[in-house]
Amino acid sequence: KAGVTQTPRYLIKTRGQQVTLSCSPISGHRSVSWYQQTPGQGLQFLFEYFSETQRNKGNFPGRFSGRQFSNSRSEMNVSTLELGDSALYLCASSLDNPYNEQFFGPGTRLTVL
Amino acid sequence: GENVEQHPSTLSVQEGDSAVIKCTYSDSASNYFPWYKQELGKRPQLIIDIRSNVGEKKDQRIAVTLNKTAKHFSLHITETQPEDSAVYFCAGLMNRDDKIIFGKGTRLHILP
Repeated sequence: KAGVTQTPRYLIKTRGQQVTLSCSPISGHRSVSWYQQTPGQGLQFLFEYFSETQRNKGNFPGRFSGRQFSNSRSEMNVSTLELGDSALYLCASSLDNPYNEQFFGPGTRLTVL
Repeated sequence: GENVEQHPSTLSVQEGDSAVIKCTYSDSASNYFPWYKQELGKRPQLIIDIRSNVGEKKDQRIAVTLNKTAKHFSLHITETQPEDSAVYFCAGLMNRDDKIIFGKGTRLHILP
């Protein structure tokens, strides 16, 4: 099976802009979670989507949003970018429930100037 | 709030020695604890997990122990090898809302 893929791999934006990141899960996986990874902060949970519905949400401001399509592909959007949003954004897919192994994508490296 | 704390943040051990990474969690109803390994420039990958109905689980040189009363769990790597050098993340499934919360990671260096 093909692994989790994310596009684009790298992005450079300026403050105030918005950005959309994409994640394609492993075929058959219905759950997609998004994480922000920064040095020293580990993996911070953004949100999880399952069957096109947001099932869980972390403690991030409303500028961070997402959605999931009927084919389980997911997108994450960040509006009004701030310097502190610079990070590696990882998505992870799993079969259905949180007890299943999460398979991570390679990440999108976002740099905000 | 929900939290998983991980210690130490950095750990250096001589090749062949053992390494131990410890985590504590706040949600007493948590019942699933996975560990992920992230090599430099690569994506995190699950290496072992444990559920609350067992106290210990082993897989070759890796073992995880869980103490539900004290709300802490640990990763043990024996006979460490250079390829064990990586960042290790513990995580806990918070039962009240089914969120997986990760610790901040431990950078493990295996010294030659």
